[in-house]
Amino acid sequence: NAGVTQTPKFQVLKTGQSMTLQCAQDMNHEYMSWYRQDPGMGLRLIHYSVGAGITDQGEVPNGYNVSRSTTEDFPLRLLSAAPSQTSVYFCASSTHWDRQLVGYTFGSGTRLTVV
Amino acid sequence: DAKTTQPPSMDCAEGRAANLPCNHSTISGNEYVYWYRQIHSQGPQYIIHGLKNNETNEMASLIITEDRKSSTLILPHATLRDTAVYYCIAYFGNEKLTFGTGTRLTIIP
Repeated sequence: NAGVTQTPKFQVLKTGQSMTLQCAQDMNHEYMSWYRQDPGMGLRLIHYSVGAGITDQGEVPNGYNVSRSTTEDFPLRLLSAAPSQTSVYFCASSTHWDRQLVGYTFGSGTRLTVV
Repeated sequence: DAKTTQPPSMDCAEGRAANLPCNHSTISGNEYVYWYRQIHSQGPQYIIHGLKNNETNEMASLIITEDRKSSTLILPHATLRDTAVYYCIAYFGNEKLTFGTGTRLTIIP
């Protein structure tokens, strides 16, 4: 099992450019989420999904789009990058076991700089 | 989801037990207590969770008070690799997991 795979690991964008951060998991988890973490700050939830075809907004969704066409993949799209979106982005996935949500598995992160 | 309160920072000597407290006085009956940690710049790592019984796994023990208003995460023999930010989260175990500010634990050699 690879777990949760995020690509790329590092990215520099110019203001106004768009890009997609990729997230894939091979554990057949139905729940997937995207977080951002600014320097010295905690994690903030951007978007999440409870299954293929279903997405919802988290705490800081503005400027980001998501889709969930398959169970495995949950890409995060930056529509028009801004310097305020400079951050580390984490993707995570989870599932239920014995009616309890097991702990989320996180990816290793994508470090994005917008100049 | 219930609000949790944790001390912003703690130190612990290497080899000793690290006891991290968490207050969740407004927790409801079906909310679980989850613990995660984040080692510098890595993705958070799930540690343990529980509802009302004490729990133990290979990483840690979780002690929940009988009234469920507080809990303690115990790392029995702390090592330098346990230096991290530890997050206590009380929630239903639904799909929307949000993090607070956590406790920065520093293991002292």
